[in-house]
Order: sequence, then structure tokens, then C-alpha cells
Amino acid sequence: KQEVTQIPAALSVPEGENLVLNCSFTDSAIYNLQWFRQDPGKGLTSLLLIQSSQREQTSGRLNASLDKSSGRSTLYIAASQPGDSATYLCAVVLASNDYKLSFGAGTTVTVRA
Amino acid sequence: GAGVSQSPSNKVTEKGKDVELRCDPISGHTALYWYRQSLGQGLEFLIYFQGNSAPDKSGLPSDRFSAERTGGSVSTLTIQRTQQEDSAVYLCASSSYRGLDAGELFFGEGSRLTVL
Repeated sequence: KQEVTQIPAALSVPEGENLVLNCSFTDSAIYNLQWFRQDPGKGLTSLLLIQSSQREQTSGRLNASLDKSSGRSTLYIAASQPGDSATYLCAVVLASNDYKLSFGAGTTVTVRA
Repeated sequence: GAGVSQSPSNKVTEKGKDVELRCDPISGHTALYWYRQSLGQGLEFLIYFQGNSAPDKSGLPSDRFSAERTGGSVSTLTIQRTQQEDSAVYLCASSSYRGLDAGELFFGEGSRLTVL
């Protein structure tokens, strides 16, 4: 069974600081990995999707890396803003079971103005 | 609409009643997923549809839960004889399952169910 762990569970930083969010998974035979953002009381917003053949994806201030062999992904958010405050979740899909996402518990980020 | 649409956004019901939750996926998306998010818990997979077929129903918590999808589009999740432990946010997602972004999931805003 795929286990997905996100560390830290919560993070508080001053505005302008770079954010580093970690995600690890136990089964490296993944199909893809996806990072989501969830605001309180809202659904999930897709941030970045990394296919198994890729090593990173970038979108604006966001950059996500993927190291399949070590079972790790890192989400970097540059020059954080108060609007970045949310819970960030990573999810992986196994290559052998390419429809079921296994989610981490998330990292709750607070960016202080 | 452009995104995944879910209704109702909020539902309060009495224990023992049946409820239906609706999901309207992004047009053209063949894959549709239901997840449940309980307070303080992670996301729990419930069921997946490819077209109108549900290859995997193993995530449904009990036989009180059922789901169907018609016309390869709208899906309904039905919970019979609701229990208090069914209280959660039920999230629906869809995916194009093809192309460069195949497998990227797009979620709706969820249906918050409260069973009294």
C-alpha cells in the first residue's frame, strides 16, 4: 500500500521568505505526482502535475521536483505572500493502479504579513 | 461550466435519511472520482468511473454507499440510512485521462454533509 508523508505538518513564515514543502512516498513505481492547494472550506486546486518521466515542473513562483528513486518530491514557493496561506497536499498515482490518488495529510502554511 | 460542479454545497440531514450528492464533471473528461474528507482526516478514495463503468468500488465504506454515472457525464453518490460518521466533505474530481496532462485531477468545491 502506498504511504504518502508530508513534512512539516504546519509551517509559519514571514512574507517574502521562500517556502519548502516536502512529500515522500513508499512505492517508487508511480505514474505521476500532483501538488494541490486547499483553502479552508474549499475544494482542491491543482498546482502542478509531474509525470513519472519528468524531474520537475514550474509555474510562476512554484517549482516542484521529483526524485522517484528516493521517493521524494519538493514544492518550492518563492517570495511567499500572505495569499499563499493554505494547506498544500501532494498525491501520487501508482503505475500499476493508475487511477487512485494516494494523498498525504498536507502541510498547512501561514505567511505572516 | 468550465470547472467541476457539485451540488448541494451543504446538506444537513437527520440520521437514517437518504441523501444524494451530484457531480457534474468538466466536459469531455472521461474519468470521474469521488473522495471523502473528514474533519482532521486526509482524503479517502471512494470510487472511480471510467466512462459509465466503475472498475473499482473498493473504497466505498459500506453497502449503504452507492454511485452511478450516466451518459459518461453526471455522477450521483447516494448514501442510504445516513449515520453520524458519514458527516464529511464529499469531493468529486474529473480527469481527461489523455494527452500531456493525462491524469491531472480537477476538483469541485465539495458537498459538506452533516448528519445530526
